[in-house]
Formats: sequence, structure tokens, C-alpha cells
Amino acid sequence: EAGVTQFPSHSVIEKGQTVTLRCDPISGHDNLYWYRRVMGKEIKFLLHFVKESKQDESGMPNNRFLAERTGGTYSTLKVQPAELEDSGVYFCASSPEGDNEQFFGPGTRLTVL
Amino acid sequence: AQSVTQLDSQVPVFEEAPVELRCNYSSSVSVYLFWYVQYPNQGLQLLLKYLSGSTLVESINGFEAEFNKSQTSFHLRKPSVHISDTAEYFCAVSELPYYGGATNKLIFGTGTLLAVQP
Repeated sequence: EAGVTQFPSHSVIEKGQTVTLRCDPISGHDNLYWYRRVMGKEIKFLLHFVKESKQDESGMPNNRFLAERTGGTYSTLKVQPAELEDSGVYFCASSPEGDNEQFFGPGTRLTVL
Repeated sequence: AQSVTQLDSQVPVFEEAPVELRCNYSSSVSVYLFWYVQYPNQGLQLLLKYLSGSTLVESINGFEAEFNKSQTSFHLRKPSVHISDTAEYFCAVSELPYYGGATNKLIFGTGTLLAVQP
């Protein structure tokens, strides 16, 4: 069984540009989570999808971040326009319905110059 | 709101020595407790979890953690570490589900880098 995959693994962009991160959860997992780790700090929750619906987006930092999960399969996280403070590692995780164990992807390292 | 404190950012230890990674949490509601590990160049992996029942939980690679409700702690221990245990360890909590469905989002500590030296 394939694990959670994320693309790209690294992205380097300039301030003001747009970047889109992609997450493919484990097949059949209804729950999909996005987290972010800014350098040296804790991993912070961004949002949670149940299938295609946003269950909780309380962790989204501002309206420059837009997450989608069309069809309840893969998800994208777009940052537009990117700012320096958006740099960090973005993790995606998924879990089956009713299960509290989240399976994490390898993360996307975003660097905004 | 919940919070997790991992006071030790780095723990250097010699191979075959015992180790304890500390984790304390704060929450006004009951929580589930987790330890995740991130090996170099890999994603986060669940190491062990406490949901209910016995307060001592174990992983398949020799780690154990004990839930102490009175001290709000969930420290991770291993009696004898290996070079391959070198990794960053994250303690995390999530709220118990309630009727209507909690988000089960994880609240993480800042991580502890375990550096095992030969």
C-alpha cells in the first residue's frame, strides 16, 4: 500500500510568487490534514478535510493560503502571494474515518527568498 | 486549548545508554497522547500512542512511554539506545472525540533531537 505522497519535495520561490503544494493521501482515507513547521518551531496544524469538505481551517494563517480537495482525493495548498515568513516544511497527513492515527507524508520544504 | 512542552531541544547520548525524552502537556479536556519520530530525510512516523487503558505503552523497537495524568506528562524512555535511534522525536496530543466529531488535529511540541554517539 502506497503511503502519503507530497509534491514537490522542495520548492524555492521569490517573495510575491505563487506556489502550489500537492498531497496524495493513502487511498480510501477520508481525513486529510495539512501542517506546517517553521524553522526550529513546533509543527502547527493548518486545516482538516473530511472527504472534500473543510472540517476545520482554524490554523490557516491568512487569506493568502487556499486549500482544496476536489473530489475528496488529493489536496492542494496554494500560497499566493508568498511571503518570507511562509518558508518552512509543509506536511500532509491522512487517516481513515474514525481512526485517530494520522499517516504523514515526507513533507514539502518551501523556501521563499 | 492544548499545548505541549518538550523542554529538551537536543539530547546527546552514547550508544547502549538509557535515555528519557520529556513531554508535558496542558489541556482542559481529556486527550490522546502520541510520540512521532522523524528519521533523517523521512516523514513523521507514529512511534506509540496512549488512548486509554494501561498507562504504559510500548513500541516495537524498544521505546516505552508512560501516561501520568497527575503530572500531565508522557515521557519517552528506552533502556539502551542504538545509533539507528538518531532522529527527531515529537510529542503530540489531540482531543478525545466528542459527539459531532472533533477534528482530531494534533498539537505538537517543538521536538527533541536524539543524537546517539558511538
